Amino acid sequence: EAGVAQSPRYKIIEKRQSVAFWCNPISGHATLYWYQQILGQGPKLLIQFQNNGVVDDSQLPKDRFSAERLKGVDSTLKIQPAKLEDSAVYLCASSPGLAFPGELFFGEGSRLTVL
Amino acid sequence: AQTVTQSQPEMSVQEAETVTLSCTYDTSESDYYLFWYKQPPSRQMILVIRQEAYKQQNATENRFSVNFQKAAKSFSLKISDSQLGDAAMYFCAYRSLFTGGGNKLTFGTGTQLKVEL
Repeated sequence: EAGVAQSPRYKIIEKRQSVAFWCNPISGHATLYWYQQILGQGPKLLIQFQNNGVVDDSQLPKDRFSAERLKGVDSTLKIQPAKLEDSAVYLCASSPGLAFPGELFFGEGSRLTVL
Repeated sequence: AQTVTQSQPEMSVQEAETVTLSCTYDTSESDYYLFWYKQPPSRQMILVIRQEAYKQQNATENRFSVNFQKAAKSFSLKISDSQLGDAAMYFCAYRSLFTGGGNKLTFGTGTQLKVEL
């Protein structure tokens, strides 16, 4: 079974530029999460989707971050304009559904460096 | 809101020895899941072990076991017979069973484990 796929693995941009990250969850997984992991910290949830609807985006900086999951499968996370403090690893995770009591399955992450 | 605290930023262990990583959490819920995740340098989070709060028996997975103290809200990870491949960042995580809250994972800040020859 294929795991969670993310791209690109690495991205370097100048501040005020834009960037987009893509995630393809495990086939059949209804719930998709985007986490931000700043160096030396634990991952922090940015947004959670159930199919193509948003469940939780309370910690998403909506003035610069946006995310979508149009067909309930792939998801894109966009940052525009980027700030220095956005330098982090962006982790995508999925699970079978909200009622699934077990673990989340993570991708390898996308490392963003903002100069 | 739930919080997870890992008070050991770094730990070291000799190969073949045993090490215990600490985790405490705060919640008002009675049913939940707790997890330990391993994050090697490649960054992909891998599940190590999980514990359902309603189970009194501590979970065990081969060389990995937990000491779950529900009343004390403590959830430590014991790694026996440590191997070089165990070197990684370890995260403790909490997951609510209340789906209305989205049942997201809340992570601690991690413990970097070094394994020495």
